[in-house]
Amino acid sequence: NAGVMQNPRHLVRRRGQEARLRCSPVKGHSHVYWYRQLPEEGLKFMVYLQKENIIDESGMPKERFSAEFPKEGPSILRIQQVVRGDSAAYFCASSPSGTGRNYGYTFGSGTRLTVV
Amino acid sequence: AQSVTQLGSHVSVSEGALVLLRCNYSSSVPPYLFWYVQYPNQGLQLLLKYTTGATLVKGINGFEAEFKKSETSFHLTKPSAHMSDAAEYFCAVSDRGGNNRLAFGKGNQVVVIP
Repeated sequence: NAGVMQNPRHLVRRRGQEARLRCSPVKGHSHVYWYRQLPEEGLKFMVYLQKENIIDESGMPKERFSAEFPKEGPSILRIQQVVRGDSAAYFCASSPSGTGRNYGYTFGSGTRLTVV
Repeated sequence: AQSVTQLGSHVSVSEGALVLLRCNYSSSVPPYLFWYVQYPNQGLQLLLKYTTGATLVKGINGFEAEFKKSETSFHLTKPSAHMSDAAEYFCAVSDRGGNNRLAFGKGNQVVVIP
């Protein structure tokens, strides 16, 4: 399957623990985007990364959240000291270049985080 | 900043009837426009997109949408609903500047009645 791979599909964490969400983009895609979907709402942009660079993190909460896209390996969205309000579906999308708008973006199946 | 309005969170349509999902956007310049579909517990799948050129865009599964600049709209239609069309549909917009992110509407949950 050449699509965007996200794992795990489901993640349960206790309050205060760390959550690590992984995203492997489509092979050859160098641009990755993270979105969060809260219940009854659309997706909200979080962060846009290229290999080894954060391009736009204007949608990221100022504390506890971080993202990286290393030269090798998947993109990681990390949430430290999770709280119940972090419970949501987190989606990753990728595009081959900065022309993602022309391309339409490819989305993964998401990671559903539940904080108990 | 762009924004997207989708009215009516839940839409019921009879099998075989017209599907019409409305999308209005707010943007200072004509943006790129997208419709995505999300089936339960799955990711988003691109239905169709408008970037430039012909304002009537045809997508997968028999859906189409028309970009109307004067109405700042990009409504999604399908002439005849099928049971398999039951899903959530999202309209999204991206501007033509350096910003590469999508702004999504809240979505329409479509229920198809046999």
